Amino acid sequence: AAGVIQSPRHLIKEKRETATLKCYPIPRHDTVYWYQQGPGQDPQFLISFYEKMQSDKGSIPDRFSAQQFSDYHSELNMSSLELGDSALYFCASSLEGYSYEQYFGPGTRLTVT
Amino acid sequence: SQQGEEDPQALSIQEGENATMNCSYKTSINNLQWYRQNSGRGLVHLILIRSNEREKHSGRLRVTLDTSKKSSSLLITASRAADTASYFCATASYGNNRLAFGKGNQVVVIP
Repeated sequence: AAGVIQSPRHLIKEKRETATLKCYPIPRHDTVYWYQQGPGQDPQFLISFYEKMQSDKGSIPDRFSAQQFSDYHSELNMSSLELGDSALYFCASSLEGYSYEQYFGPGTRLTVT
Repeated sequence: SQQGEEDPQALSIQEGENATMNCSYKTSINNLQWYRQNSGRGLVHLILIRSNEREKHSGRLRVTLDTSKKSSSLLITASRAADTASYFCATASYGNNRLAFGKGNQVVVIP
């Protein structure tokens, strides 16, 4: 079965640079979630989209923005990167109104140096 | 941790034994989900239990939910070396589906 795809899997950036993370949800899933997991931490919810509209917003810094496109893939844009942004970034998808299960991608490991 | 909180334990068990881990949360929930994560890799969905359910089974997994105590437990029976991982519980509240994760339980199954 198709799973959530995230790219790139690994990314190394320097402070103050910009990064773009991509997420391709499971086919027919209409909701995308982004989570951040710092080293040794539990995942923290950042933002979600349903049918290309932002549906919920968590502890996402103002330096970050995200959107969901017409093909339902989503991108997380991160600017003015800081050392503390180094983390695993997960995307998850679900089918709203059908099931509450969220299926996670393998994550993008971002390292800011 | 925002919501779900596991008892801070690291389990080390022999293959074939059962592993039990617990999770407590603070507010009303719509559902509670358990996930497995292998060494900094992706989160694998294990099982979801809704707030009106008390127990659920999936293969070697058994989940219980006690909404009066705001707690849940995950039991893995007949553990295998491949069960070595961190296990997270995550809760979703009514009105939104964002997951609030607790701190993971590290389980090591010794062959």
